[in-house]
Amino acid sequence: EPEVTQTPSHQVTQMGQEVILRCVPISNHLYFYWYRQILGQKVEFLVSFYNNEISEKSEIFDDQFSVERPDGSNFTLKIRSTKLEDSAMYFCASGRAQHTYEQYFGPGTRLTVT
Amino acid sequence: GDSVTQMEGPVTLSEEAFLTINCTYTATGYPSLFWYVQYPGEGLQLLLKATKADDKGSNKGFEATYRKETTSFHLEKGSVQVSDSAVYFCALRGNTGNQFYFGTGTSLTVIP
Repeated sequence: EPEVTQTPSHQVTQMGQEVILRCVPISNHLYFYWYRQILGQKVEFLVSFYNNEISEKSEIFDDQFSVERPDGSNFTLKIRSTKLEDSAMYFCASGRAQHTYEQYFGPGTRLTVT
Repeated sequence: GDSVTQMEGPVTLSEEAFLTINCTYTATGYPSLFWYVQYPGEGLQLLLKATKADDKGSNKGFEATYRKETTSFHLEKGSVQVSDSAVYFCALRGNTGNQFYFGTGTSLTVIP
C-alpha cells in the first residue's frame, strides 16, 4: 500500500540554523500539507499546497517558513533561522483531491532546536 | 474558530476492557469528524470518520457517533487488545478549506 514518507526521522539543529524537512507524498496525490505538534500540544495546521502554490496557510506559517515541490516527487518544508520554539514533530500529509475526506500522513520528523 | 478538545491521557487498560476516549468539538456549520490512530514509528492513519449528524463511523471494532446536540464524537471499543496500544487523535474538517483541526492525542496502553 502506498504511503507518505518523511526524512529525516529526527533532526537536531542549533538555533539560527536553517533546516529542510523532506516528504515524499503518495504519487497520484495532488494536495500536500504540513502540520506540526509541539510536545504535549495539539497537532496544528501549517500550510496546504496545490498546483505549485500555497492554497492555505495558518498564522504560524510566517516568513520564516517556506514550502516547495522541487522535482515532482518531493515536498519540502524549509525553516529559516530556527528558534527554540520550532522544536516539534512535523507531519507531512497528502490527499487525492480538494474535497476528499482523507489526508494520508507520514510518520513525522522530530525537530529539536538547541 | 474551529477546535477539538480531547480527553487527556495516558490511558492504561487491561486486555478485553471497555474503552472510551472523549472528544468534543467547536465548529460553525456541519464539520466532518475523524479519529486517527498513530502506532509507534508510523504516521497518522485514518481509523474512522463521520460526515453528518447521527452518522456512526466504525472500523476494527472501534465506533464513534457524530452527536450534534452534544457536539461530541467519542471513541469506543468494547474489548481492547494489546495491539490497540497507540495514540488516538480526534480531528475535524470544517466546511471551508482543507485543513484539519486535531486534538492533543490520547495515548492508550493495553496490558495483557
